[in-house]
Amino acid sequence: AQTVTQSQPEMSVQEAETVTLSCTYDTSESDYYLFWYKQPPSRQMILVIRQEAYKQQNATENRFSVNFQKAAKSFSLKISDSQLGDAAMYFCAYRRTGNQFYFGTGTSLTVIP
Amino acid sequence: DTGVSQNPRHKITKRGQNVTFRCDPISEHNRLYWYRQTLGQGPEFLTYFQNEAQLEKSRLLSDRFSAERPKGSFSTLEIQRTEQGDSAMYLCASSLARQSQETQYFGPGTRLLVL
Repeated sequence: AQTVTQSQPEMSVQEAETVTLSCTYDTSESDYYLFWYKQPPSRQMILVIRQEAYKQQNATENRFSVNFQKAAKSFSLKISDSQLGDAAMYFCAYRRTGNQFYFGTGTSLTVIP
Repeated sequence: DTGVSQNPRHKITKRGQNVTFRCDPISEHNRLYWYRQTLGQGPEFLTYFQNEAQLEKSRLLSDRFSAERPKGSFSTLEIQRTEQGDSAMYLCASSLARQSQETQYFGPGTRLLVL
């Protein structure tokens, strides 16, 4: 069974600093997709970034980037120049082609002004 | 707003009552997912549809739960004889399955409280 583990229930970062959120996953598949979703308080979940496992290059979306280590089954999210609006619950998710999504338990990020 | 919408946003019911939630996906999306999220946890998959066909159901989905997507557009999730353990946020997401790329877009959720 696929599992996604986020070992940091809570993280904090000073505004304008950089923070890295960790995620590991367990799979025997070689072809899959990884995602980071953001869920602000009382607001809906939105996609932050996506990584295809067959791509060696790490995905980047503006201030958000990932460090994808396929052999280690690790998929961390780096947020640069943190802003107050980045405060949210962040979920790592895994999906095998044609199948359901599996989510981690989330990391609550606090941004300190 | 052309995003995923869910109604109602909040529902309070007494144990033993039936409840029904509705999800309207993004119009061109052919896949629709239902998840349950409890406090401090990530979303747990319940079921998903491709067009009107229900393709997969989680073991979490007991016989009291039923989902439909009759015309391949909106979907309903019904919980019969609700129990206090059903209290959770019920999330709907939709996606466009195109080749191997698929990104889910989530609705705001329906928060259920069973007294």
